[in-house]
Amino acid sequence: DAGVIQSPRHEVTEMGQEVTLRCKPISGHDYLFWYRQTMMRGLELLIYFNNNVPIDDSGMPEDRFSAKMPNASFSTLKIQPSEPRDSAVYFCASSLQGKGAAFFGQGTRLTVV
Amino acid sequence: AQSVAQPEDQVNVAEGNPLTVKCTYSVSGNPYLFWYVQYPNRGLQFLLKYITGDNLVKGSYGFEAEFNKSQTSFHLKKPSALVSDSALYFCAVREGSTPLVFGKGTRLSVIA
Repeated sequence: DAGVIQSPRHEVTEMGQEVTLRCKPISGHDYLFWYRQTMMRGLELLIYFNNNVPIDDSGMPEDRFSAKMPNASFSTLKIQPSEPRDSAVYFCASSLQGKGAAFFGQGTRLTVV
Repeated sequence: AQSVAQPEDQVNVAEGNPLTVKCTYSVSGNPYLFWYVQYPNRGLQFLLKYITGDNLVKGSYGFEAEFNKSQTSFHLKKPSALVSDSALYFCAVREGSTPLVFGKGTRLSVIA
């Protein structure tokens, strides 16, 4: 298996622009997580899905953030409009049945200038 | 709510010496505990987990961890450190099917 695949690996955008981050989970996994990593706040859970249904989005910082999972093999995290404080590394992870380990993608490093 | 504490921001150890990276946790029920490693510009890699059973868990790259329920600890250990073990280490906990909650990470530096 190729593991969790995220794209793009790097994204540089101007403040106010829309940014879309993409994730392909490991085939057969039924949980998908979006995390954000910053030096100041460490790893923060933004939102997670079970069987494509959003379960908890309380970690999404503002209405500017939204996430979708239209099918079992694809998820997006969108920021509109983006702001410099959104600059971080965004990770997608997936797991099987919620009790096992979560496996992480390589992350997307977002820089908003 | 579950939480994890990694009391050391940085751990320095000489190559060949044993290493320990500390982790304590807080949950209301039975914990599922995990260790991950992160190399620069990479994602988190799973090292090992404790779900149930033997308190000593063995994982990847010679790492092991000991679950201690009375001390609510899950310290990561390796008998002989390598320079290539230098990285950022995260302890994580989950309760039932809730998402992983991570500690702030401990940077391990192994000196040749």
